[in-house]
Formats: sequence, C-alpha cells, structure tokens
Amino acid sequence: GAGVSQSPSNKVTEKGKDVELRCDPISGHTALYWYRQSLGQGLEFLIYFQGNSAPDKSGLPSDRFSAERTGGSVSTLTIQRTQQEDSAVYLCASSLQGEAQYFGPGTRLTVL
Amino acid sequence: GQNIDQPTEMTATEGAIVQINCTYQTSGFNGLFWYQQHAGEAPTFLSYNVLDGLEEKGRFSSFLSRSKGYSYLLLKELQMKDSASYLCAVRAPGTYKYIFGTGTRLKVLA
Repeated sequence: GAGVSQSPSNKVTEKGKDVELRCDPISGHTALYWYRQSLGQGLEFLIYFQGNSAPDKSGLPSDRFSAERTGGSVSTLTIQRTQQEDSAVYLCASSLQGEAQYFGPGTRLTVL
Repeated sequence: GQNIDQPTEMTATEGAIVQINCTYQTSGFNGLFWYQQHAGEAPTFLSYNVLDGLEEKGRFSSFLSRSKGYSYLLLKELQMKDSASYLCAVRAPGTYKYIFGTGTRLKVLA
C-alpha cells in the first residue's frame, strides 16, 4: 500500500482481556516501530524491529506486552490482561534504515 | 542518558514567523528530525538534519548545531493550519531507535 496501515482503528475492551494490534508497514521498509501516546502527551517508545528481529525492547512497559514481526513485514503488538492504564493511542511507524519514519493512523485502545 | 527539551506551548499570529527550539543531551548523535502532529492525527515528517547548518523547505526551515546540542524549526508566513504540535526527535547512535521530545503545541491566532 501507499502508507502505513493499522488495524483496528479503535478497540474497546474490558479489563483483563487480551488485545492484538496490527501494523502493515510501507513495502520495503526494513525498520518498524511501535509507540504509545496518551492524551496530550509525547510519544513513548515501546519497541523497534530491524527485519524480523527486535534489537531494542526496552520500552515495553511490562511482560504483559509483546510484539512480533513476520516476513519482514506485518507486525503485531499483543497486550495481555489489559489494564485501564493501557488506554492510549498505539502508533506504528516504518522507515528505511536511519531515515525518516512514516506513521500509521494509530489504534485508539480503551480499556473499561 | 538521553534527554530532549522543547517548550510546551507557543502562540503566534497568522503571517508571522515563529522559532521552535529543541535542545538535546545524548550520549551520541546520529541525526535530528522534526515532525508535525495535528490533534487526533499521526505525526508527519517535516525535516532532517545530520550536519550543522540550515535546511530550508518552503515555509519551513530547520537548523542544527551539534556542538551546542541545539536545533530549531523556523516557520514563516504562519497559516492557521500550522496550529499543531511539533516534535523533535534524535536518533540514538549505533541504533535505529529514536528519542522523541514531548512536543511543542503551537497555536496560530488570526
């Protein structure tokens, strides 16, 4: 596709449920990033992938968060046993190595 | 450690010029990026500096001084649509991880 796509665009879930967020990067982009943004706040780095490997997972808030990337393309961010503090917009971005990041529209997660 | 500082909010008048500053303290440096983010939307790339000096792109310019750990984004001929948050980001050396500042919320008044 022309840009980064994310699905779903909105997700409302109950506390304690698991959620999966998907990101389709720009074709050919080797790097893929996940960020979290709470209302009125800056971008909080979660994890990035170079190809299928994740050199830096330091931003994942807890072991309830995990991510994978397959085939050097699609990535999935999974949050297990969601908590209300997980409510935020989850943004995915992709780039060629070292160059500008291109962001998807985000997934707005609401945990009730 | 890595730290990026930007003013939280700025206000300017339509047609004017505004300069948004960004200072960074990082253990190394490998490029500085500016992004624009309108409310409720994803950030979009504006500019990239890796060498000292000014990069100009239409109404937007970005300046970098590596020795001072300082950058600014200059917006000329402000338009109402420039009301947005402006995010400064630095690429950490030896990695492709980016550290973002908290952003500067710019309000353009008629």
